Amino acid sequence: QSALTQPASVSGSPGQSITISCTGTSSDVGGYNYVSWYQQHPGKAPKLMIYDVSNRPSGVSNRFSGSKSGNTASLTISGLQAEDEADYYCSSYTSSSTQVFGGGTKLTVL
Amino acid sequence: EVQLVESGGGLVQPGGSLRLSCAASGFTFSSYSMNWVRQAPGKGLEWVSYISSSSSTIYYADSVKGRFTISRDNAKNSLYLQMNSLRAEDTAVYYCARTITLAAAGPHDAFDIWGQGTMVTVSS
Repeated sequence: QSALTQPASVSGSPGQSITISCTGTSSDVGGYNYVSWYQQHPGKAPKLMIYDVSNRPSGVSNRFSGSKSGNTASLTISGLQAEDEADYYCSSYTSSSTQVFGGGTKLTVL
Repeated sequence: EVQLVESGGGLVQPGGSLRLSCAASGFTFSSYSMNWVRQAPGKGLEWVSYISSSSSTIYYADSVKGRFTISRDNAKNSLYLQMNSLRAEDTAVYYCARTITLAAAGPHDAFDIWGQGTMVTVSS
């Protein structure tokens, strides 16, 4: 199972909005509404930000939103803040009954 | 407080074995499916294995199938990963992670609680 494709890096200024894409195939992202997004700060464990494409766990800011179109899922962060600077990973359920992660995207807040 | 704490990592020679443990607290462990996820140094996340709440359903990534065994002891609120025939490419931080949905029927759900990770280094 190949990793999902994410851009290596994205950047934005405080207050702006950014979108991170996550591209898979019809056997993973496109075939199921089981896409999730994780935030990871250096040296820390990942934190769930979005699950089932667009649902936010309790306690996650509504500045984070998720969507999906075809084989590509997206994470949008609005009103960028300095603390949003981190690595972001998407993940999807697959037709092989496994989970596959994306390669990760480093978000820089300028 | 809901918490997962991994232990058992360390340095092991290629071909060797290691058993990781994950102690759960603050929630009804026996009601949740669990997973192992690893991260090689400077690399991304890789899902390793899934076990249902009753241990009746287990899945593995192809990269570890036949070498790793996931198990759990609900009476001890503990998750395990037995790792045999270890290779250099198994070097990583290993996280245990709880599946977000109660009594999930498969490894399709997100991981809402993560441990702090335990480092496994495979080297001679």
